[in-house]
Amino acid sequence: QQQVKQSPQSLIVQKGGISIINCAYENTAFDYFPWYQQFPGKGPALLIAIRPDVSEKKEGRFTISFNKSAKQFSLHIMDSQPGDSATYFCAASWRGGSEKLVFGKGTKLTVNP
Amino acid sequence: NAGVMQNPRHLVRRRGQEARLRCSPMKGHSHVYWYRQLPEEGLKFMVYLQKENIIDESGMPKERFSAEFPKEGPSILRIQQVVRGDSAAYFCASSQRNYGYTFGSGTRLTVV
Repeated sequence: QQQVKQSPQSLIVQKGGISIINCAYENTAFDYFPWYQQFPGKGPALLIAIRPDVSEKKEGRFTISFNKSAKQFSLHIMDSQPGDSATYFCAASWRGGSEKLVFGKGTKLTVNP
Repeated sequence: NAGVMQNPRHLVRRRGQEARLRCSPMKGHSHVYWYRQLPEEGLKFMVYLQKENIIDESGMPKERFSAEFPKEGPSILRIQQVVRGDSAAYFCASSQRNYGYTFGSGTRLTVV
């Protein structure tokens, strides 16, 4: 019930294309769903996050889509750029759980020029 | 405003030695979290601390690992009698309890 399953494990897209990463969760108590971006040798950096009371959130080229009934959420990166090449992690947490994050295993995104 | 500071960035220890990892939270943040990342894996929660208190240590191994966040000074993650399986990147994050985590750059521990 603590798991967050992320797919695909790796993704290669062309510059200008759309990158889509999917996550599924089991614990219905989760009420916060962030996405983190991590470059080699660095810590994860918060990219965008969503609460379950909305179905979509957009910030620039990054969009989270959330499907509460299916217990799934996804990250869409529009107009993908080589600088977006990084590892992306989805995560989830809940207010009653000390706000600790449960992470997916990550997706390594490569954007070819 | 400095971010979350972790040191050392890299740490090499022989099997059986002790490893001490330090984390200074962002200014004004009183909540500290430690996570461990194994190669090709996501981050796994270890422990959540507030000043002088351990709030949630459900992710900490039962033996050899301990953490503290004293009234003064950085948070310390201590690993006694390290083994090869402890080799990983250890990340600290701080927040002010509004879901706004900020991670440090991590300490990469290598046990030889």
